[in-house]
Amino acid sequence: DAKTTQPPSMDCAEGRAANLPCNHSTISGNEYVYWYRQIHSQGPQYIIHGLKNNETNEMASLIITEDRKSSTLILPHATLRDTAVYYCIVASGGSYIPTFGRGTSLIVHP
Amino acid sequence: DTGVSQDPRHKITKRGQNVTFRCDPISEHNRLYWYRQTLGQGPEFLTYFQNEAQLEKSRLLSDRFSAERPKGSFSTLEIQRTEQGDSAMYLCASSQYRGAETQYFGPGTRLLVL
Repeated sequence: DAKTTQPPSMDCAEGRAANLPCNHSTISGNEYVYWYRQIHSQGPQYIIHGLKNNETNEMASLIITEDRKSSTLILPHATLRDTAVYYCIVASGGSYIPTFGRGTSLIVHP
Repeated sequence: DTGVSQDPRHKITKRGQNVTFRCDPISEHNRLYWYRQTLGQGPEFLTYFQNEAQLEKSRLLSDRFSAERPKGSFSTLEIQRTEQGDSAMYLCASSQYRGAETQYFGPGTRLLVL
């Protein structure tokens, strides 16, 4: 069973921020939160990861709550090319056996 | 850096035949992973290697599945006596373990068992 819970689908208008939530209430202290996305028929693509602090890179921002039981991936200005399935996973670095779940299907519309 | 490559990209086989898939990771990456993905589901972890050592293989789906990484570079995934239920996308990923993992995925091999 997946260690994370995500809404099955979301939609967003092009140019707006897309905020994708993830619950990981059973996360342990040494587990990171990772986000990947998968565009139809391609392999998943890494987006961002974090442990405790909020993180930002050229693709997205990751906001992790203080109790680490949930997080939000933010795509600040969504484009049509951001339409994909987004996966939130938790895993530790030493024994990395990720469980992907079904993810959130994000549709960005014009 | 040419990314992770997988060969073949597509494979059609008849039930009962053996198939082998190859994965070439990013050259400096020491970890290599195999996943299976069926329609509408996320990738399902199968096994992984650190260099040539297979560190986890309990998630391989049956004893018909086996994987090797003989020299710590490329890897092969073999399915013996294929069944129609083996039809899926088989994904490979690699990473350079540094405490946290950033996996880079290949394009996958799509298997159809008739």
